[in-house]
Parts: sequence; structure tokens; C-alpha cells
Amino acid sequence: DAGVIQSPRHEVTEMGQEVTLRCKPISGHDYLFWYRQTMMRGLELLIYFNNNVPIDDSGMPEDRFSAKMPNASFSTLKIQPSEPRDSAVYFCASSLALGTGGAYEQYFGPGTRLTVT
Amino acid sequence: AQSVTQLDSQVPVFEEAPVELRCNYSSSVSVYLFWYVQYPNQGLQLLLKYLSGSTLVESINGFEAEFNKSQTSFHLRKPSVHISDTAEYFCAVSSLSGGYNKLIFGAGTRLAVHP
Repeated sequence: DAGVIQSPRHEVTEMGQEVTLRCKPISGHDYLFWYRQTMMRGLELLIYFNNNVPIDDSGMPEDRFSAKMPNASFSTLKIQPSEPRDSAVYFCASSLALGTGGAYEQYFGPGTRLTVT
Repeated sequence: AQSVTQLDSQVPVFEEAPVELRCNYSSSVSVYLFWYVQYPNQGLQLLLKYLSGSTLVESINGFEAEFNKSQTSFHLRKPSVHISDTAEYFCAVSSLSGGYNKLIFGAGTRLAVHP
């Protein structure tokens, strides 16, 4: 398997613009997670899905952030409008369902480095 | 609530020296513990994990960690480090409380191996 795929790898945008980050999880994985990594706050869980359904979005910072998972092989994280303080590396991760071999381990994508000017 | 404390933000060490990266956790339920490694400009990769059984777990590249329930610790060790071990290391805890697989990460420890 190719692992978790994220696009774009780098994104530079101006304040106020809409930004969409994309993720393709590992085939067969039931859970998908979105994280944000910054120097100040470290690694934060934003939202996660189980079988395409959002389970916990308590980490989403504001209404400007939204995430969708229309099918088992694709998810998006959208920021509208973007602000300079959204600059960070955004990671997507996926894992198997609980109780299956190898469960609990999350596989991370390479991340999208977002810069909002 | 669960939490993870990594006691050192940075650890400088010379090549071939031993190293220990410290991790303490707090949780009121049974836990599963992980160490992830992040090389520059890459995502996190699982280094090793403790789910049950032997409290000493090992990775394929010479790292080991010991689960100590009484001290609520999961320190990572390597007897002889290489330049290529330079990376950031994250300790994480997961529990089935609530029935889902949610990881709580520590702040990370940056390991810098010098020649």
C-alpha cells in the first residue's frame, strides 16, 4: 500500500482565502484523523471519523474549519476564511478498527505545510 | 482525563553514547502506550508500542521502552545512538475509555546526535 496520501504538500495562500487540504487513507482503515502541528501548541487532534462519520470534532478551533469524509477513501479539511494563525503543518492519519490485528496504531501521512500570509 | 508529559524538550548526545527519553502519563483506566518518531519534514512513524504482556518492548532499530505501571512511565532508551537517530520523538497514550482509539501526544523531545 502507498500509505496515507496528502495533498498538497505545501500551500501558500493569502489571508481570507479558502484552503482545502486532502487526504486519502490506507485502504481498509476504518478511522481517519486530522491533526495540526505548531511549535507553540505541538500536535493537536482536530477531528476524527469512524466509517466516514465524524465522531469527535471538539478539537476544531473555530467555525472557519470544517472537515468531510464523503467516502472511505477521501477526506478534506477546509479553512474558510484562512488567517495567518492557521499556519501550521496539518497531518492526516488512519487506523484499523478496534479489536483487529494492528489496531490502535495510527499511520500518518507526510503532512501539508500551510502558510497564510 | 489522560495526559502525557515528556520531561525533556531537547536532548543533545554524542554519537555512540546511550540515551534515555523520558515519558510519564496519567490515566484512570488501562492504557496503551506508543513512541512515534518524526524525521525532518516527514510525518510521524510508529517506533514501538505497548499493548499488553511483556513490559519491555523493542523496535527494529535498537530502541526499547519499558512500561512501569507503578511509576506511570514509558521511557525510551537506546544503548548507542547514531547520527541517523536525530529526530523528534513523541510519546502517546491511548485508551478504550469511551470505546474509541484516540491518541494523546506529549509535546515531543528533540534528539540531536552529534559526531
